[in-house]
Amino acid sequence: EAGVAQSPRYKIIEKRQSVAFWCNPISGHATLYWYQQILGQGPKLLIQFQNNGVVDDSQLPKDRFSAERLKGVDSTLKIQPAKLEDSAVYLCASSRPLGSYEQYFGPGTRLTVT
Amino acid sequence: AQRVTQPEKLLSVFKGAPVELKCNYSYSGSPELFWYVQYSRQRLQLLLRHISRESIKGFTADLNKGETSFHLKKPFAQEEDSAMYYCALSGASGTYKYIFGTGTRLKVLA
Repeated sequence: EAGVAQSPRYKIIEKRQSVAFWCNPISGHATLYWYQQILGQGPKLLIQFQNNGVVDDSQLPKDRFSAERLKGVDSTLKIQPAKLEDSAVYLCASSRPLGSYEQYFGPGTRLTVT
Repeated sequence: AQRVTQPEKLLSVFKGAPVELKCNYSYSGSPELFWYVQYSRQRLQLLLRHISRESIKGFTADLNKGETSFHLKKPFAQEEDSAMYYCALSGASGTYKYIFGTGTRLKVLA
């Protein structure tokens, strides 16, 4: 099966600019996750979708970050406006319906905010 | 507070030596525990999970609820084991939210 796809792979922006990331999960996977991984740290969950509904977004900085998953398939994560501390790798993962614990990760998008 | 602690950022061992990557957790309830691995220039992928109680690539991990630990072990390290290893937990019900540790880089020296 095709893996989780993400684009772009790299992005460099200036602070206060906007940026959007796209994720296409594995076909049939109902659950989709966005993680932020800052250098030297483990992935931190930002938001979790079950189909097109939000299950958990408790760690999403909602003043600047937003995410949507229209039609329960693809998802986009947006940052507006970006700050220097947003520099990180943004990982998307998907899994089968809730209760199946293995997550399949995409290659990630490396964001640099200057 | 719910958290996963991996005390070692870097662990270097010689080929053929035993390996133990430490993981301790704090969670109110009965979590599911996992080890994920990221080889150079590859994606993060599941290595093993405690509920399956299986050995993958010679690695095993036993959940010790008394010590709240889930250490990853391998009796004889191989050079291809060199990678970044992350311990993670998930709630056993509800949102199944994942919490990852900070990771340990394993270097197996020839």
